[in-house]
Amino acid sequence: DSGVTQTPKHLITATGQRVTLRCSPRSGDLSVYWYQQSLDQGLQFLIQYYNGEERAKGNILERFSAQQFPDLHSELNLSSLELGDSALYFCASSVGRRTDTQYFGPGTRLTVL
Amino acid sequence: QKEVEQDPGPLSVPEGAIVSLNCTYSNSAFQYFMWYRQYSRKGPELLMYTYSSGNKEDGRFTAQVDKSSKYISLFIRDSQPSDSATYLCATLEGGTSYGKLTFGQGTILTVHP
Repeated sequence: DSGVTQTPKHLITATGQRVTLRCSPRSGDLSVYWYQQSLDQGLQFLIQYYNGEERAKGNILERFSAQQFPDLHSELNLSSLELGDSALYFCASSVGRRTDTQYFGPGTRLTVL
Repeated sequence: QKEVEQDPGPLSVPEGAIVSLNCTYSNSAFQYFMWYRQYSRKGPELLMYTYSSGNKEDGRFTAQVDKSSKYISLFIRDSQPSDSATYLCATLEGGTSYGKLTFGQGTILTVHP
């Protein structure tokens, strides 16, 4: 158990819908990262927050947004969902904002029908 | 072309074999190198973390980085069935203010008794 929690574990929804994925980092960690894992693209970085502020963006679609709250938990919002958004979404956390080890949560499996 | 290339395998070896897993990368800015292990339907967990070129050993695992050839390796000695998993190499740029990890595609390893 990495200490990173993610909810829900599974999510099944329809095209065009909006969902919210939630992540609680390890105690004491200030950075939260979101990654998407699909069969064709592998594990790809989406976005990083450090102590409530956005630090870096990767290949995150405009339909996706995220935020980190004062209690350091984070939410990833996915809207206007498409079939191709079906994937595993992982949250990771680290103490600092750069080279510290990133600990991954168990992931949320999103299926868009 | 992906920044980090990794042969997806699958790789199947008998118990007790020495396993060699490899990645190549193209971005000279990568300074930190990691190997993650991912069991089916679980989040990635960190196995090895190295900075710049050189070797690092931890039990049955040895990580090697050759920056001159942009080559990353993970060796597993005396492989066990419990080592069966997907192995992901990951890299991190130096000199940035964020912790975006770039992953290889992952190699699926099966160790059979």
